[in-house]
Amino acid sequence: EAQVTQNPRYLITVTGKKLTVTCSQNMNHEYMSWYRQDPGLGLRQIYYSMNVEVTDKGDVPEGYKVSRKEKRNFPLILESPSPNQTSLYFCASSPEGERGYPYEQYFGPGTRLTVT
Amino acid sequence: AQSVTQLDSQVPVFEEAPVELRCNYSSSVSVYLFWYVQYPNQGLQLLLKYLSGSTLVESINGFEAEFNKSQTSFHLRKPSVHISDTAEYFCAVSSPTSYGKLTFGQGTILTVHP
Repeated sequence: EAQVTQNPRYLITVTGKKLTVTCSQNMNHEYMSWYRQDPGLGLRQIYYSMNVEVTDKGDVPEGYKVSRKEKRNFPLILESPSPNQTSLYFCASSPEGERGYPYEQYFGPGTRLTVT
Repeated sequence: AQSVTQLDSQVPVFEEAPVELRCNYSSSVSVYLFWYVQYPNQGLQLLLKYLSGSTLVESINGFEAEFNKSQTSFHLRKPSVHISDTAEYFCAVSSPTSYGKLTFGQGTILTVHP
């Protein structure tokens, strides 16, 4: 089954304790990205990766890092989590469109993170 | 910069009634438009998309949306809703210059009552 998987699905942690949320896709997509979802704000992009060689910041990158060592995986790293990073996080991947740009994105099931 | 405004945060309707969820966007370049649906405790699922061509696009479960360039709108409609359509719906926009970034609206919670 074609899908984007994330782990863990739920995580409660304390301020300052480094954590990693994994993301993997089995659709051979070049493009992957991370979003956070907060009530009343919709989803906002944190980071994206056009391919294993190109990664760049989205709209809300502060406090996050990413890594793209292989095409299928795109982990999100919080080196020193803070309470304002409590949110619902989604990983997504996208096939390359006919013009070389990603079109629709396919989302994982989400990771609900609580930082106390 | 792009932006999306979903004009209604909540839309309650009765089963078998028609519904319209409104979405307006702002962009200085050509756009791609999407509707996603999020059921409780689940991820986002692509409902339908407009990339080019026909301005009326349809989903497999009876929803349709029409791209109106002059009014910068992409409203979602369904002629007869079911209880199972209860969910949150997000309108999103991207463009060839956005490097794939989707800009989302704030979401509309559709609640279908029996």
